Amino acid sequence: DAGVTQSPTHLIKTRGQQVTLRCSPKSGHDTVSWYQQALGQGPQFIFQYYEEEERQRGNFPDRFSGHQFPNYSSELNVNALLLGDSALYLCASSRPGNEQFFGPGTRLTVL
Amino acid sequence: GDSVTQMEGPVTLSEEAFLTINCTYTATGYPSLFWYVQYPGEGLQLLLKATKADDKGSNKGFEATYRKETTSFHLEKGSVQVSDSAVYFCALVFSGGYNKLIFGAGTRLAVHP
Repeated sequence: DAGVTQSPTHLIKTRGQQVTLRCSPKSGHDTVSWYQQALGQGPQFIFQYYEEEERQRGNFPDRFSGHQFPNYSSELNVNALLLGDSALYLCASSRPGNEQFFGPGTRLTVL
Repeated sequence: GDSVTQMEGPVTLSEEAFLTINCTYTATGYPSLFWYVQYPGEGLQLLLKATKADDKGSNKGFEATYRKETTSFHLEKGSVQVSDSAVYFCALVFSGGYNKLIFGAGTRLAVHP
């Protein structure tokens, strides 16, 4: 049983560009949450998707958007990248209200 | 708002030493509490959890007790190993549908032989 997978593993972008990160949830999970982990910090909740709808959002600007597909996989999009967006982006999947399982993350570097 | 505070690291110990990593929380209700571990270059793994006051979570020799009176969930291990070197995160979540995790800043543990 594959766990949560994320792609790509690493990504380098320049300021102002746009980026898309992808996540495939663990088998049987229908809820996907995204977190941003800056260097030396704990993960910060970005948003959560269930039934293809964003149902909860953290304190992140509208430059951060997402999508969930019918197969429960998800994308995180960040527009107009800033240097401060450099971080490890973690995806977690779960069934509603149950334990979240995390993927290995995508390391984004903005130059 | 709801938050988690952890002791600052790094914590440096010799193998077989006793480990304590302090964690306190501020919450408007009665959350579930977690410890996650992050090994170098990896994502987060759930280490242990407790869902109500006085519950003790345990796994791989690690333990933590949910103390409502002191709003704490300190992580302990009686004898650490080099392989325990990692970053440890305390976190809380409120049950009932949306399970947004709120994390502390993390505590890095380095265990030397």
